[in-house]
Amino acid sequence: DVKVTQSSRYLVKRTGEKVFLECVQDMDHENMFWYRQDPGLGLRLIYFSYDVKMKEKGDIPEGYSVSREKKERFSLILESASTNQTSMYLCASSSVETQYFGPGTRLLVL
Amino acid sequence: DAKTTQPPSMDCAEGRAANLPCNHSTISGNEYVYWYRQIHSQGPQYIIHGLKNNETNEMASLIITEDRKSSTLILPHATLRDTAVYYCIVRVGVLALPWYSGGGADGLTFGKGTHLIIQP
Repeated sequence: DVKVTQSSRYLVKRTGEKVFLECVQDMDHENMFWYRQDPGLGLRLIYFSYDVKMKEKGDIPEGYSVSREKKERFSLILESASTNQTSMYLCASSSVETQYFGPGTRLLVL
Repeated sequence: DAKTTQPPSMDCAEGRAANLPCNHSTISGNEYVYWYRQIHSQGPQYIIHGLKNNETNEMASLIITEDRKSSTLILPHATLRDTAVYYCIVRVGVLALPWYSGGGADGLTFGKGTHLIIQP
């Protein structure tokens, strides 16, 4: 069974803190993605990675960075969290044809 | 990617078949039809996809019209746990092409979807 896990379901952080969101997949997929989902704005792609140590910017990379040191793990980093980064963060990995999503992390930045 | 049109909401009685329509009149020949759903406060869940033939898996059936301009997702025996927002997406299916080299991400774009409510 396909499995994508995210380190936390809910997270509360303060403005200026460094935040790490981790995602692990057990399907040996090469492609992994980070999205954020906000009401009225839908799903927006932040970063994606098509191989270990490779990364590409998505539509809204500002304020974020990523790390892919191992094939199964893709981390999203908020260097200095801001209130406008309060959102639902979704990780996905993909086979050739299909993306599979994790359960999401709901992040609140105070 | 081609745009899709879905009704904003639908009701269905528990135990009955839920038929969710999707229009994609501008679909291209190499674009697949994908269905995902999202239960409140959870990540999107892949359901099924197809190119032109009808498809069935353990979750649902996908019926694509012969001209490929519309499709229907069928949940054969809806349960209360099927209450969710259902998204129909049309896109090129092969994600491993060198889509990354020239910029332009190959992420998924979800529209507003159909909020399916299963009534007890």
